[in-house]
Amino acid sequence: AQKITQTQPGMFVQEKEAVTLDCTYDTSDPSYGLFWYKQPSSGEMIFLIYQGSYDQQNATEGRYSLNFQKARKSANLVISASQLGDSAMYFCAMSEMGAGSYQLTFGKGTKLSVIP
Amino acid sequence: EAGVTQSPTHLIKTRGQQATLRCSPISGHTSVYWYQQALGLGLQFLLWYDEGEERNRGNFPPRFSGRQFPNYSSELNVNALELEDSALYLCASSYGTGRMNTEAFFGQGTRLTVV
Repeated sequence: AQKITQTQPGMFVQEKEAVTLDCTYDTSDPSYGLFWYKQPSSGEMIFLIYQGSYDQQNATEGRYSLNFQKARKSANLVISASQLGDSAMYFCAMSEMGAGSYQLTFGKGTKLSVIP
Repeated sequence: EAGVTQSPTHLIKTRGQQATLRCSPISGHTSVYWYQQALGLGLQFLLWYDEGEERNRGNFPPRFSGRQFPNYSSELNVNALELEDSALYLCASSYGTGRMNTEAFFGQGTRLTVV
């Protein structure tokens, strides 16, 4: 079974609008972390936001927020007030620390295109 | 503060040759991870080093190997290169196993082309 599922291969959003990128995960480890990365066409992976499995509050970083629904095993990324520079691939990833597997497992990504 | 740095940025090798990729982690990070991003295959975990030891390995053949030096920098070696090894190789660093993994920062990658 896929550990990280991103069901939206591509998304379009109008500039200045908000957009939600979906991510569901599968783990039996009680101690895990969820990460979102942005990958522009240059290839660099840019860390956006982190949510720990024991965190009570949803993580926020500037225009990025993570809608963490633990019971549903979902960790959707919300980008508010989209900008043209937000056009990129977005990856959701998980680290299962309880199992000692600190490496990240990635989803297949969502290509976001921001329309002027 | 310097981020994760990788070298070289681009590397072109002939099939059968060996490639060596290098990574310097963020200061204070003891773990280094290597990932392969081949076209159409997403990011695949290769190797994880922490405190000089190999901690975990992804589903790759033994010709993919590496090491971590006392200053926590790391080297990825790919022997007997095959055409399908052409990919973007990304290195990430984080705090080691003694701390919760709350951040993992990537370098800009090395684009390896095998001809």
